[in-house]
Amino acid sequence: SFDLTQPTSVSVSPGQTVSITCSGGGLGTEYACWYQQKPGQSPVLLIYQDNRRPSGIPERFSGSYSGNTATLTISGTQAMDEADYYCQAWNSGTVLFGGGTKLTVL
Amino acid sequence: QVQLVQFGAEAKKPGASVKVSCKASGYTFTGYYLHWVRQAPGQGLEWMGWINPNSGGTDIPQKFQGRVTMTRDTSTSTAYMEVGRLTSGDTAVYYCARGQFPGFTYGDAFDVWGQGTMVTVSS
Repeated sequence: SFDLTQPTSVSVSPGQTVSITCSGGGLGTEYACWYQQKPGQSPVLLIYQDNRRPSGIPERFSGSYSGNTATLTISGTQAMDEADYYCQAWNSGTVLFGGGTKLTVL
Repeated sequence: QVQLVQFGAEAKKPGASVKVSCKASGYTFTGYYLHWVRQAPGQGLEWMGWINPNSGGTDIPQKFQGRVTMTRDTSTSTAYMEVGRLTSGDTAVYYCARGQFPGFTYGDAFDVWGQGTMVTVSS
């Protein structure tokens, strides 16, 4: 099994681009997905299969991967994007979550 | 629309059990796996396993085996998870979440989430 490691916190100015990484030894062979969670709310799926967006998710959210790192990028960040972000992947039949990244929009 | 509805809160004493429910609507209940995920206060997400609503089959990670039971009632499109021998460490919001694709797809994301049930364990 492997762990998924995310930065604890990231900050960005409105309108700028920010990237949140998720590193794990098995990510090169497993799909990663990303969730957004605002305080007091349930998680919302943002990205699945590394880089696909569910319907209704704004185009400013995108996903990519390289080697053992998956990356969530938010372009033209808005104040409403301030939230916790979690990556998720499967490994040997088990679902793993990263520890979460708190995004602050300054 | 597709929904997973969960009740608000439960308060239990250490050593007791809690059974949380998750009622599905807006889609074919038996067509999609349901997963359970918990989140302790101020902490991250932790996966607790899945149930196949069609067969009742489950997969529960070793950490929770023997203490967690997942069942379903297809007549009411409701899934249940019971957690036994509760400790303060089980204090968390318990979410149900739907596997994104029909049947089981390894690597599934979770596209629909319930609003969660807050379980507080305290003497």
